[in-house]
Amino acid sequence: DVKVTQSSRYLVKRTGEKVFLECVQDMDHENMFWYRQDPGLGLRLIYFSYDVKMKEKGDIPEGYSVSREKKERFSLILESASTNQTSMYLCASSTPGGFSNQPQHFGDGTRLSIL
Amino acid sequence: EDKVVQSPLSLVVHEGDTVTLNCSYEVTNFRSLLWYKQEKKAPTFLFMLTSSGIEKKSGRLSSILDKKELFSILNITATQTGDSAVYLCAVEGADDMRFGAGTRLTVKP
Repeated sequence: DVKVTQSSRYLVKRTGEKVFLECVQDMDHENMFWYRQDPGLGLRLIYFSYDVKMKEKGDIPEGYSVSREKKERFSLILESASTNQTSMYLCASSTPGGFSNQPQHFGDGTRLSIL
Repeated sequence: EDKVVQSPLSLVVHEGDTVTLNCSYEVTNFRSLLWYKQEKKAPTFLFMLTSSGIEKKSGRLSSILDKKELFSILNITATQTGDSAVYLCAVEGADDMRFGAGTRLTVKP
């Protein structure tokens, strides 16, 4: 079974801090994704990556950056956290095939609170 | 602009009932439609649909896609309390994947 592991289940940070959310997958998937999930808005794509050192903006990249130095790891960075970034963050991975021709496998999520 | 709309937003039924969840979409260069079930943690994959009129079935769950009318339905028969979850519909277009807001299903004993 594919396993997508997010480093923290719950995280509390302060406004202005630099925040790192880590995601690791163990199935050698080329594609990795970061989403945030907010009530009534569903999942919204922040960034995705097709390959090592590759990144593409999703729908809501503002205030975020990403890093993919190794195939199995995709990091989401909040450069200067703000309260409107309080949310549930989900990482996913998939095998290639167009944008996502295979189902994505999700991590358990990180519930991030910015105070 | 691409969009995915799920209805209803929430639904409360009793065990044994049959439910139908709806997902309509407007997406450029449609590739696939996926259904996920989300309980307390990550969404888990249920179905991927790419062709119209072909029903996909897994136990009490089934789903079908209508590419002409741009919608899909997810049916759950003989519901159980373990079916209580948020059901997410996602549609893959040429350049992105869009998720609906989800339908929160509550199944009461």
